Amino acid sequence: DSGVTQTPKHLITATGQRVTLRCSPRSGDLSVYWYQQSLDQGLQFLIQYYNGEERAKGNILERFSAQQFPDLHSELNLSSLELGDSALYFCASSVGYGKSYEQYFGPGTRLTVT
Amino acid sequence: GESVGLHLPTLSVQEGDNSIINCAYSNSASDYFIWYKQESGKGPQFIIDIRSNMDKRQGQRVTVLLNKTVKHLSLQIAATQPGDSAVYFCAEPVLWGGKLIFGQGTELSVKP
Repeated sequence: DSGVTQTPKHLITATGQRVTLRCSPRSGDLSVYWYQQSLDQGLQFLIQYYNGEERAKGNILERFSAQQFPDLHSELNLSSLELGDSALYFCASSVGYGKSYEQYFGPGTRLTVT
Repeated sequence: GESVGLHLPTLSVQEGDNSIINCAYSNSASDYFIWYKQESGKGPQFIIDIRSNMDKRQGQRVTVLLNKTVKHLSLQIAATQPGDSAVYFCAEPVLWGGKLIFGQGTELSVKP
């Protein structure tokens, strides 16, 4: 158990809908990362927050947004869902901001868009 | 930009044998690599890392080798066990922020 929690574990929704994925980092970790894992794209970085502020952005679609709250939990919002958004979404956390800090991954949320 | 890739998508080994998983990278300035293990239904888990000032690093039953001349690294698992069955990724954290760039992954299957 990495100490990172993600809810829900599974999510099934229809095209055009909006969903929110939640992540609670390990106690004491200030940095949260979101990754998407799909069969064709592999594991791709989406976005990173550090202590409530956005610090880095990857190939995140405009239909996707995220935020980190004062209690350091983070939410990833996916809107106008398309079939291609079906994937595993992982949250990771680390103590600090930078390449030397080990990232701990949560169990993921499996999103299925029908 | 950064790029890491793996040579083989699948690898099947007999229990007790040694496993070798390979990874190539493109950026000669890359200086830090991490190997992750992802078991079915779980998130990636840190196995071992290596910095460019080292050629080899050993952990418990795992060894990572880094060849900067040919921009190649490998993960060796000694006496492979059924519990080692998973997908293995090499990854590179980028300079700013530490986001990880992952390779495509190699699925290791261990035959009893």
